[in-house]
Amino acid sequence: AQKVTQAQTEISVVEKEDVTLDCVYETRDTTYYLFWYKQPPSGELVFLIRRNSFDEQNEISGRYSWNFQKSTSSFNFTITASQVVDSAVYFCALGGYNTDKLIFGTGTRLQVFP
Amino acid sequence: NAGVTQTPKFRVLKTGQSMTLLCAQDMNHEYMYWYRQDPGMGLRLIHYSVGEGTTAKGEVPDGYNVSRLKKQNFLLGLESAAPSQTSVYFCASSYMGKVNTEAFFGQGTRLTVV
Repeated sequence: AQKVTQAQTEISVVEKEDVTLDCVYETRDTTYYLFWYKQPPSGELVFLIRRNSFDEQNEISGRYSWNFQKSTSSFNFTITASQVVDSAVYFCALGGYNTDKLIFGTGTRLQVFP
Repeated sequence: NAGVTQTPKFRVLKTGQSMTLLCAQDMNHEYMYWYRQDPGMGLRLIHYSVGEGTTAKGEVPDGYNVSRLKKQNFLLGLESAAPSQTSVYFCASSYMGKVNTEAFFGQGTRLTVV
């Protein structure tokens, strides 16, 4: 069975603070894909990153970075020097190569205050 | 390029009424999904399809039916709406081949059942 756990329901930070959003996953597939999506207050879902199970290299994109660790089944997302525009709900998702389903976590609401 | 289009964007139903939500994608994607989003529950998979003429149950399929008669369209039906089906519904599509790519989402349909 596939499962994604985002234990942090809500996080509040002040602008310029660093913040890490946790994502823990479960799957029986040996090949799988992990994603992060952002849902700003406007409601649409914005793709941020995709990572496959064979690539454990961390990735950095501007102020965003992702830490993938198969040993702990985690795919955490860090925002450096947060900004008010980062305020959104962030979803982690898991796609299994053999299961066809794309399963989402419950999301973490990030509020960045000026 | 319209991407993924959902129709309608808003709807109010009375308990017991039926309706169909339409999802159309113009990216020639094989995979399509219907999710519902509820506060604190994240995105939950209702049904999905891995190609024209195929459908499968997701995490919360009860009370819904789907059809994929054409590759570009994925219909979600509510035969007898219940207040518990009040939610925001998202359709998504993706190309899943050897490399799993991101899912593209529609703008959502806000459904209220009274």
